[in-house]
Amino acid sequence: GQNIDQPTEMTATEGAIVQINCTYQTSGFNGLFWYQQHAGEAPTFLSYNVLDGLEEKGRFSSFLSRSKGYSYLLLKELQMKDSASYLCAVMDSNYQLIWGAGTKLIIKP
Amino acid sequence: GAVVSQHPSWVICKSGTSVKIECRSLDFQATTMFWYRQFPKQSLMLMATSNEGSKATYEQGVEKDKFLINHASLTLSTLTVTSAHPEDSSFYICSARALGTGGPQETQYFGPGTRLLVL
Repeated sequence: GQNIDQPTEMTATEGAIVQINCTYQTSGFNGLFWYQQHAGEAPTFLSYNVLDGLEEKGRFSSFLSRSKGYSYLLLKELQMKDSASYLCAVMDSNYQLIWGAGTKLIIKP
Repeated sequence: GAVVSQHPSWVICKSGTSVKIECRSLDFQATTMFWYRQFPKQSLMLMATSNEGSKATYEQGVEKDKFLINHASLTLSTLTVTSAHPEDSSFYICSARALGTGGPQETQYFGPGTRLLVL
């Protein structure tokens, strides 16, 4: 079966760095997406990785290792507004998105 | 770019009525649109995948006669909840995917969602 695993909840301190991990097992691979979803709102696109390595975009970076079926989202200089759920999703060989359950990130002052 | 709108944002209706939700891609053509449902504090649940000009593909457990989907053009898909009941109350979110065969063009961009409350 297809499976995406990510931690249910994480807590971090304002100004710090946090890494949210995602492991996956899917039928084929056409890229991995990270989305941010604030409570009561729809998800917004953060990043896309299809090749191994690190993609940096401001305070957010996303890493992919296809051989390990592993990705992480790195958030630096955490701000209170970063409190949200972070969704990992993998596009399979049929170009269908397989969603993780999301990681709720709580930022404390 | 890549803006998806959804209308209405809020619906309150009586049990037994039908509710129509529109999803539009404003600045790109969407060959495929997706409809999700999300209950409080739960994950996104894919309901159906809609391709322009063809019938929607429904996920297991989703009643196609209750949730009617029409993808009439490359920029518009509609979801009609027929004979809505209180258990249909949820957050309905659409997303749209641009033309392409892979890469960032395959990104799904989400509408803002529609909150449905059935009394």
